[in-house]
Amino acid sequence: QSVLTQPPSVSAAPGQKVTISCSGSSSNIGNNYVSWYQQLPGTAPKLLIYENNKRPSGIPDRFSGSKSGTSATLGITGLQTGDEADYYCGTWDSSLSAQVFGGGTKLTVL
Amino acid sequence: EVQLVESGGGLVQPGGSLRLSCAASGFTFSSYDMHWVRQATGKGLEWVSAIGTAGDTYYPGSVKGRFTISRENAKNSLYLQMNSLRAGDTAVYYCARGGIVGAGGMDVWGQGTTVTVSS
Repeated sequence: QSVLTQPPSVSAAPGQKVTISCSGSSSNIGNNYVSWYQQLPGTAPKLLIYENNKRPSGIPDRFSGSKSGTSATLGITGLQTGDEADYYCGTWDSSLSAQVFGGGTKLTVL
Repeated sequence: EVQLVESGGGLVQPGGSLRLSCAASGFTFSSYDMHWVRQATGKGLEWVSAIGTAGDTYYPGSVKGRFTISRENAKNSLYLQMNSLRAGDTAVYYCARGGIVGAGGMDVWGQGTTVTVSS
């Protein structure tokens, strides 16, 4: 059971928009930065969003992040088949003194 | 090019030990916190350990007392000593660069090295 809760799967059609939620508590999301990672099949995770809503160089602005209270959201617009991947949220948990991840969300682009 | 390359994975019997290495290049290794993250086949990401620039270390309860993270800045290298290995430790192990309390995220990942614990 992951400390952060994500939906197991989401799906949408090409060109559409999808959001992925990540729910936590005051000891993690509520008081620490959230990051989002994309993991394409058979590859290492890749940082998509850091510090709640910032994009690393090279990440298109189709990807966005937000945080409110103890929840965070990843948004992807203009969906492409190449976006099919597993997406993970992550943050520091101050009570556990541990990095925690969500269980991951599998995105299917229909 | 900024790069992390893991090595040292393999097949080990339950109760055995293994030492993983992560070679860093393309950045000032000593200036960054570092992590180990693992992923069992078909499962999600699980954080294994972290080490700060000052040598402070952090572990989840699942590996505390069995795993030891260390770094050798002169060799631009990160290590994970794994003892008393169990079947549940079987996974791909990634090293990653990133702030311990999340600032900046884990922005560079290696390709992973596979650890299999089986008799």
